[in-house]
Amino acid sequence: DAGITQSPRYKITETGRQVTLMCHQTWSHSYMFWYRQDLGHGLRLIYYSAAADITDKGEVPDGYVVSRSKTENFPLTLESATRSQTSVYFCASRPPLSGGGETQYFGPGTRLLVL
Amino acid sequence: KQEVTQIPAALSVPEGENLVLNCSFTDSAIYNLQWFRQDPGKGLTSLLLIQSSQREQTSGRLNASLDKSSGRSTLYIAASQPGDSATYLCAVWMDSSYKLIFGSGTRLLVRP
Repeated sequence: DAGITQSPRYKITETGRQVTLMCHQTWSHSYMFWYRQDLGHGLRLIYYSAAADITDKGEVPDGYVVSRSKTENFPLTLESATRSQTSVYFCASRPPLSGGGETQYFGPGTRLLVL
Repeated sequence: KQEVTQIPAALSVPEGENLVLNCSFTDSAIYNLQWFRQDPGKGLTSLLLIQSSQREQTSGRLNASLDKSSGRSTLYIAASQPGDSATYLCAVWMDSSYKLIFGSGTRLLVRP
């Protein structure tokens, strides 16, 4: 299916465990993003990537690791999950700017609960 | 540091009403401003994007305006319908780096 997908959609884990959230897009967009959404905070950028093998920190990167070996995939890893990382995680992608009117396309989200 | 605020946090209106959602930002040097819709348990869908050189954008019953100098944007929804019930998020681009800064959203309920 064309678009952007995330897996798993729901995940329960325990404090201290490593968790990887997957994101896959079929458009070959160069830019990809990870956000977390918490009550009262809206969406906050965790990491973003401008192309394969190019990543950079966003607003709240601590405790997270990303990689981008292929253009279409952008996994997010919580190396040692903490309760404060309980959240809804959204992946997004977008093409490079051409006329300034481009938008980001969002995946359906992954709900993560850390016990 | 840019801060984006949306007021009200929640809104309940009867069907057919025209309504206005507000978004304010503290740093007027924005690149673009974008409005999104989020349905429960779903991702975000872009509604309107206003480039910094524009004053407004329209799509169907939706109209978004931008006043950079005052740090404000409004989303106007005409003749609201129950299907408009969702959370509406405002986001600003500070530059062409594609990083969005979001407000916390307005949760809209349109009652039949």
